Amino acid sequence: NAGVTQTPKFQVLKTGQSMTLQCAQDMNHEYMSWYRQDPGMGLRLIHYSVGAGITDQGEVPNGYNVSRSTTEDFPLRLLSAAPSQTSVYFCASSGALSNQPQHFGDGTRLSIL
Amino acid sequence: AQSVTQLDSHVSVSEGTPVLLRCNYSSSYSPSLFWYVQHPNKGLQLLLKYTSAATLVKGINGFEAEFKKSETSFHLTKPSAHMSDAAEYFCVVRDSGNTPLVFGKGTRLSVIA
Repeated sequence: NAGVTQTPKFQVLKTGQSMTLQCAQDMNHEYMSWYRQDPGMGLRLIHYSVGAGITDQGEVPNGYNVSRSTTEDFPLRLLSAAPSQTSVYFCASSGALSNQPQHFGDGTRLSIL
Repeated sequence: AQSVTQLDSHVSVSEGTPVLLRCNYSSSYSPSLFWYVQHPNKGLQLLLKYTSAATLVKGINGFEAEFKKSETSFHLTKPSAHMSDAAEYFCVVRDSGNTPLVFGKGTRLSVIA
């Protein structure tokens, strides 16, 4: 029973490099989202998706791209990494009803040098 | 628009004494409300949720929360703190299934032996 799986768990990048953070869920959830967590800031929403082929921006979308080609996968792309994107990234999924809680992955710790 | 305010960024209690973590929310609808816990270097775990049934909600590990519509509050309590309760706690609101969750900035709970 895997739930939400994020890879990699840790990553170090140089400024200007690109990379993709992977997120997969096996619960057939329609709603998926990406957050970043920084000290004292709580979790801030980057992008979210309400179903395959549908994505929307959250609070802090700049510098990130997403796509949702399947129900299971929701990758987050950093186009040109910047030191300000050093953070812990969490992927989450839930059913379509508002009373269904989100299930979180274990996070990806990303450092940009 | 929905929003969440966690009134204390840090709460410190002695082991065996009561815990109170305060949360006020703003929502245009009848929201769903959640409390999540995050232990150091871990992902987020659901503690409890309110979804318009009983106003007093019981969660895991002895925590409970009371929904008070007149005060727009959803405070988290526990009668007796344990050392293992030391963690970051997040109050979360969600208006509907296709809208993003909104997180408070978190309350760090310290438990003193």
